[in-house]
Amino acid sequence: EPEVTQTPSHQVTQMGQEVILRCVPISNHLYFYWYRQILGQKVEFLVSFYNNEISEKSEIFDDQFSVERPDGSNFTLKIRSTKLEDSAMYFCASGHYGYTFGSGTRLTVV
Amino acid sequence: DQQVKQNSPSLSVQEGRISILNCDYTNSMFDYFLWYKKYPAEGPTFLISISSIKDKNEDGRFTVFLNKSAKHLSLHIVPSQPGDSAVYFCAASVYGSGNTGKLIFGQGTTLQVKP
Repeated sequence: EPEVTQTPSHQVTQMGQEVILRCVPISNHLYFYWYRQILGQKVEFLVSFYNNEISEKSEIFDDQFSVERPDGSNFTLKIRSTKLEDSAMYFCASGHYGYTFGSGTRLTVV
Repeated sequence: DQQVKQNSPSLSVQEGRISILNCDYTNSMFDYFLWYKKYPAEGPTFLISISSIKDKNEDGRFTVFLNKSAKHLSLHIVPSQPGDSAVYFCAASVYGSGNTGKLIFGQGTTLQVKP
């Protein structure tokens, strides 16, 4: 069964550093998403991406966040200057309705 | 943001019995609902969905019921198996052209199925 692949599985970074979370969506999918889950909280929508542009973003997705599909296969989430409160599981997903999630990247900001 | 609520944080059932997980929503614009299952250290896995034009959708042991007037949906698992033990998330979306596929999730219900 096709999978969404996320790397790394765990990233530890210093506060203020930039991080890039990587995702390889399912190859024939056109819609891509990032969600996050802070420990003990809901899974929260961050951004949706379609036709090489952001189609919707949440209030969480401020200027510190950006997404890119640099080469037609990878889909990345960049956090420019990480804060302690960015510590969470970040999930990439692809598809449309009933879409497929990756296993997530656990980001720990120290 | 409490648009989708799962009021029971946990549920414990005996193997072979029925598990019923509940979900309420407040936004009347939602017209497509999904259930996801999540194991620790994995991403959510899609289980079953229902459009607001239906009141029931069944897939094997899983059935989702939708009560639009009450803004309530439920997931029934029959019979429950120990491998069903996981966190179950209800999610809602607005279907139709121009929508972005954004899902609003509930807080999740941890289901434990005891052998």
